[in-house]
Amino acid sequence: DTGVSQNPRHKITKRGQNVTFRCDPISEHNRLYWYRQTLGQGPEFLTYFQNEAQLEKSRLLSDRFSAERPKGSFSTLEIQRTEQGDSAMYLCASSPKGRGYNEQFFGPGTRLTVL
Amino acid sequence: AQTVTQSQPEMSVQEAETVTLSCTYDTSENNYYLFWYKQPPSRQMILVIRQEAYKQQNATENRFSVNFQKAAKSFSLKISDSQLGDTAMYFCAFMKLSYKLIFGSGTRLLVRP
Repeated sequence: DTGVSQNPRHKITKRGQNVTFRCDPISEHNRLYWYRQTLGQGPEFLTYFQNEAQLEKSRLLSDRFSAERPKGSFSTLEIQRTEQGDSAMYLCASSPKGRGYNEQFFGPGTRLTVL
Repeated sequence: AQTVTQSQPEMSVQEAETVTLSCTYDTSENNYYLFWYKQPPSRQMILVIRQEAYKQQNATENRFSVNFQKAAKSFSLKISDSQLGDTAMYFCAFMKLSYKLIFGSGTRLLVRP
């Protein structure tokens, strides 16, 4: 399977714990995006990388959230001191670099439940 | 800031019939892209169709077509000959040159046999 992969697919944690999600983009894609989708809503942009550089962060990304993309390959999204409001689907997408439009390919998401 | 509005939370259509999903957006940009994404139950989001704002011709992909009205900031999706596999959440999305997607709240489409 050469699509975008995300692990784990599901994560249940207790409030106050730290969690980390991983995204593996399509191999030749150098742009990587994180979105958050709460139940019944559309995805909301969190952050994006071009290679290893984090180029934009949403105001939704509080100081408890951190994302990295070492070496411009896979990316991790960490949430520290989780809160119940962090329960959501976390989506990763990747796209190739190029002028103008490039389609974003989405992964299956990681569903986080904070108890 | 850009916003995307989908005013139809749920729609239903008989198999083989035609259905139109509505989307409006707000932006001061002149160059941008618009998209319809499909999210089937428990499956990942896939692109259905896209429209470049500088193109006057409406995009078409097989049974899917759009009605893009730039002045009215309207971007509707028409699905012809609906199939059971079209049952899904449909999201309208906007993108300018910063590359991040801004999504609407979605329309849940049910295709009835």
